[in-house]
Amino acid sequence: NAGVTQTPKFQVLKTGQSMTLQCAQDMNHNSMYWYRQDPGMGLRLIYYSASEGTTDKGEVPNGYNVSRLNKREFSLRLESAAPSQTSVYFCASGLADTQYFGPGTRLTVL
Amino acid sequence: GENVEQHPSTLSVQEGDSAVIKCTYSDSASNYFPWYKQELGKGPQLIIDIRSNVGEKKDQRIAVTLNKTAKHFSLHITETQPEDSAVYFCAASAFISNFGNEKLTFGTGTRLTIIP
Repeated sequence: NAGVTQTPKFQVLKTGQSMTLQCAQDMNHNSMYWYRQDPGMGLRLIYYSASEGTTDKGEVPNGYNVSRLNKREFSLRLESAAPSQTSVYFCASGLADTQYFGPGTRLTVL
Repeated sequence: GENVEQHPSTLSVQEGDSAVIKCTYSDSASNYFPWYKQELGKGPQLIIDIRSNVGEKKDQRIAVTLNKTAKHFSLHITETQPEDSAVYFCAASAFISNFGNEKLTFGTGTRLTIIP
């Protein structure tokens, strides 16, 4: 039981490049979430998915898109990366109100 | 929307002493208050949570108290140990849909350092 896994762990992009962050969970949770963590700002919700086939915007969705591929997988895509998207990205999955986090992806946009 | 404030931003305590971290929230509909611990290079890990129908909850050296009237809740760590050094986040949420899904709003974190 791996819990929540994320790939890659580290990534450096140039401004304007695109990439997809992958997340998978093996806990059979309905809900999945994407957060970004910036110094002094805690964790901010980007997008979430209450169930397979549904996605909704969170607090800071601009510049991102998501796909809930199936119950296990929830991906986050940056179509045209900007330096303001330099951050640590965490995926989480949840059962009712309890959320479990992955190890994170550290993204740098130059 | 919900706003969660957390204090202090940094806290240093001697090993064996107690540590207290405080959070306030704005949305009176919030009914679930978890605390997460984040070690360096890792994702946040749930350590304790409390719901609005309970005033206090304990788990060994960790306790959380909730005052719904004043809209604040606190994390108490007793007999602190070096492994308690980490960043701690509080959060608050309320149900947002019939699916029972809850969006968490996080505080900005407290960096706790235990001095040996």
